[in-house]
Amino acid sequence: DTEVTQTPKHLVMGMTNKKSLKCEQHMGHRAMYWYKQKAKKPPELMFVYSYEKLSINESVPSRFSPECPNSSLLNLHLHALQPEDSALYLCASSQDRDVSTDTQYFGPGTRLTVL
Amino acid sequence: AQSVTQLGSHVSVSEGALVLLRCNYSSSVPPYLFWYVQYPNQGLQLLLKYTTGATLVKGINGFEAEFKKSETSFHLTKPSAHMSDAAEYFCAVRVNSGYSTLTFGKGTMLLVSP
Repeated sequence: DTEVTQTPKHLVMGMTNKKSLKCEQHMGHRAMYWYKQKAKKPPELMFVYSYEKLSINESVPSRFSPECPNSSLLNLHLHALQPEDSALYLCASSQDRDVSTDTQYFGPGTRLTVL
Repeated sequence: AQSVTQLGSHVSVSEGALVLLRCNYSSSVPPYLFWYVQYPNQGLQLLLKYTTGATLVKGINGFEAEFKKSETSFHLTKPSAHMSDAAEYFCAVRVNSGYSTLTFGKGTMLLVSP
């Protein structure tokens, strides 16, 4: 089973709202990722958690706040977003980033619209 | 630094025709290469990967790719296109060097006509 689940599927929020995206995997993977994908573009890496510790933050604005409560769960807290933050947000997981053949598996994404 | 270049932002084929999506990589160390497919409004699905061993890699849905070090290429092929193959395809590279991340190409949209 290589399933990564994401909720909600769609989210519409105003610029003053606070919302959260959720990602879950039960494959025993120890690395989890957040990507942002704009239309007709490849995914852009935002954050990486490895063994529940934040290992990469790709200079993402502080209005995006990741959280990894446990090895199966990854959240992305959103606050005071801008319309240009509207995008598809993808979560991925992989077994272990220290392993050379590590492979990422992606969830279905959350389509975010900021009004 | 590692990178991948996908030649052609759009490729059009007829149903039943050969599919060829091109990917060239640039890496100073042995690369690990991946092809992902993305259907409209969905996430990325792993099609196949090359890590070590056999250079001809078979994936899901009848796709395969061949790693050619001399040509720095990892082109994706399928002998006979189906309408359901219409999607965006991304080539990606990861090098075996510390905490490396996945670098994606810009993607190729495959269009299949009846």
